[in-house]
Amino acid sequence: GAVVSQHPSRVICKSGTSVKIECRSLDFQATTMFWYRQFPKQSLMLMATSNEGSKATYEQGVEKDKFLINHASLTLSTLTVTSAHPEDSSFYICSATKGADTQYFGPGTRLTVL
Amino acid sequence: QQQVKQSPQSLIVQKGGISIINCAYENTAFDYFPWYQQFPGKGPALLIAIRPDVSEKKEGRFTISFNKSAKQFSLHIMDSQPGDSATYFCAASKGTGRRALTFGSGTRLQVQP
Repeated sequence: GAVVSQHPSRVICKSGTSVKIECRSLDFQATTMFWYRQFPKQSLMLMATSNEGSKATYEQGVEKDKFLINHASLTLSTLTVTSAHPEDSSFYICSATKGADTQYFGPGTRLTVL
Repeated sequence: QQQVKQSPQSLIVQKGGISIINCAYENTAFDYFPWYQQFPGKGPALLIAIRPDVSEKKEGRFTISFNKSAKQFSLHIMDSQPGDSATYFCAASKGTGRRALTFGSGTRLQVQP
């Protein structure tokens, strides 16, 4: 398999603050990474596709100014939740593609906004 | 529009039994079908994946059966163990290259000892 890490694993912040989540592919290079959001007992919903060296592609209904994505290198993508509010509390998971199709997921980041 | 429908929502199986989870898709452009296992508070882990050019793929106790004409695929877990208790997601993607996955709604499997 392949290893994808996320940092932090959990974060608690006050409403109105910004939170940055890092996603790293540890043993392979990933030109494409994906960011998903998962609510309790629900499935994963794609938020955006992150491409190294170019702008991210956001899914319909996801505010690009709210969820800033930067994919500055072949092993790192970051998701910044700006001016977080309680409704942004969720489990955020990234994935990185190795080879043609295989996606490996990170361990997730639990965001709680008070 | 839910492009990948998964059933059942939950499943209870006795240790040593066979767990069967089914998925159906609508988009005929899908050509890659992975299954993921997720434990609470963790990210999904790839179990096994299949492409439409084969009807079955087996890896250890896990088997995918694929029916292209019916647009259905299923995961069979043989000799189910309590450690298999987790949520299982089917998924699909289309086209070549690095495409996002469309996930099913998930199945919570509980294997009773």
